[in-house]
Parts: sequence; structure tokens; C-alpha cells
Amino acid sequence: DAKTTQPNSMESNEEEPVHLPCNHSTISGTDYIHWYRQLPSQGPEYVIHGLTSNVNNRMASLAIAEDRKSSTLILHRATLRDAAVYYCILSEGAQKLVFGQGTRLTINP
Amino acid sequence: ETGVTQTPRHLVMGMTNKKSLKCEQHLGHNAMYWYKQSAKKPLELMFVYSLEERVENNSVPSRFSPECPNSSHLFLHLHTLQPEDSALYLCASSRGPGTQYFGPGTRLTVL
Repeated sequence: DAKTTQPNSMESNEEEPVHLPCNHSTISGTDYIHWYRQLPSQGPEYVIHGLTSNVNNRMASLAIAEDRKSSTLILHRATLRDAAVYYCILSEGAQKLVFGQGTRLTINP
Repeated sequence: ETGVTQTPRHLVMGMTNKKSLKCEQHLGHNAMYWYKQSAKKPLELMFVYSLEERVENNSVPSRFSPECPNSSHLFLHLHTLQPEDSALYLCASSRGPGTQYFGPGTRLTVL
């Protein structure tokens, strides 16, 4: 699986938008971009995924660069409950997910 | 999402003990997974079962023995573990190659 690069940590304020970047310069044409997050003391949970087009769901939006070498997870209005480690993962299918270190997001009240 | 349950949530065992971790999914999925999450390290995929057959074993030591008796249940049998096996063990399930849903994990401590 292609590797992704994410910042180790980010900090934002409550009720402000958060943009979490992910670089994946060696992505292949069949790789999907998946985002999961892991809240403290819990297992990871699915956030969103996409292939080429931008995607929106009730949790977040995923903006994918035109060359697909980078993507950004957007939390439109962060709450304290969004504090978690966010993982950006590439996979042809979701069956084999290779987790990296992720980005630890801190939300300030 | 509460569709994947794991028991026990916490387990302390000695190196000579035999214990089992249990995972159950109520989502109608046909694939199940075991992951290991050690402190300060990324999640590592251990085993994958699809339609109750093991399809992936990521060079896991034989002291970890998985069992998938049906599509809803997954076990991880533990035998003569080492202190470095202490970790959070996570179970997940999916419908084929779809989105994976994770359980809360079992925090294992090996003394």
C-alpha cells in the first residue's frame, strides 16, 4: 500500500473549521483515500473515503487534489468531541488498511 | 457504532496462562479482523477472516491463535505470551472490502 504523510499533531479552537492535510504522492490509480479517527480509549471509527471527487457526509468533507497526491479532511465546526487521532489511509479496497501514526487533533474550548 | 463488541475489556495474565479474547459483530458482515495496538506504535493488522476462512496472517507468532467459528464471532486464543505482547487488541468487521467497523478493544497486560 502507498504511504501517507500527516502532521504529528494539530490544534484548533472549538466551533472553528479544521483542515487536516495528508500527502500521498505515490498513490496509484486504484487507491481509495480513507479517513478513520480514534477517540481516546476507543477503537478507530470510519469518517469518510473517496477516490477522485470531493466527498461530503454528516461527519466531514474530503477534498482531493486534482492530481490525487494530497487530500484534506475538513471538519466544518469542531467540537471538543472531535479531539482524536485522525488517520489517512490508502487502500484499493478497505479490507487491508495500513495505519500510520496519524495526526493528533486537540480542540481548545 | 455499537455493532462490534469485545470481551473482556481488560485482561491481566501471567506468561504461562491460557486465555481467549472474544469478538462479536451484529452487523451482518462477512469479514473479521484482529489488530494489535502497542503504546506509541500504529495499529498492526494481525489476521483477516473472510467467509470464516483465514485469508491473511501477518507473520504473527504462533502463541496467538485465531478462530472464526461463524461469521459473527471471532476469537483470539492466547498461550505463553510475553510482556511485550501487552497491548490493545482490536477487532473489526466489514462487508467484504467495505468500511471496517471496530470494537472498543481489549486492553491486555502480560506480567
